[in-house]
Amino acid sequence: DIQMTQSPSTLSASVGDRVTITCRASQSINSWLAWYQQKPGKAPKLLIYKASSLESGVPSRFRGSGSGTEFTLTISSLEPDDFAIYYCQQYDSLWTFGQGTKVEIK
Amino acid sequence: EVQLVESGGGLVQPGGSLRISCAASGFTFMSYEMNWVRQAPGKGLEWISYISGGGETTYYADSVKGRFTVSRDNAKNSLFLEMKSLRADDTALYFCAKVEDNCLDVWGKGTTVTVSS
Repeated sequence: DIQMTQSPSTLSASVGDRVTITCRASQSINSWLAWYQQKPGKAPKLLIYKASSLESGVPSRFRGSGSGTEFTLTISSLEPDDFAIYYCQQYDSLWTFGQGTKVEIK
Repeated sequence: EVQLVESGGGLVQPGGSLRISCAASGFTFMSYEMNWVRQAPGKGLEWISYISGGGETTYYADSVKGRFTVSRDNAKNSLFLEMKSLRADDTALYFCAKVEDNCLDVWGKGTTVTVSS
């Protein structure tokens, strides 16, 4: 089974900050990686697919990069609506989520 | 509007069974693969099951294999998850999600399953 590890688990930041979340796969998953955003009491929302493709309607301040085993999600300038939990997910072999990264207000 | 609505969650005793459903609308249901994902209270997301558009192919996470069965009724635009031998660690919010190019692009709001005596 492919394991996904995110870091950090929690990130404290301010509005306007540049934020980067890292996701590592236990083996190569090529570019078969997605990023989701989840707010309290809500379903997850797809942000990025195929490591770097922006889902329709998602603001361009969200950027995904990486391939193989190392991936990053960058939010170029944090907005109030971006405080949430972010999950990476591999879909190279079935599906596995990372443990999540909570982006909280500093 | 593309929509998924889960139902059927509730309180069940350890060792018991429950069937949850997901009603789909706004898209050609039979053309899409579907997944079930769960989230234990205060925890992260866990993929648990997949079913192909025609229902011929299914996959399960090891944590539920042999206890859970996914099925679908394309005539009724409905997805199901039959859960047996339920344990306390199956307590979670269960989401159904539509698969698009292997990503989960549409999610329902979830239905809560609580396993407790």
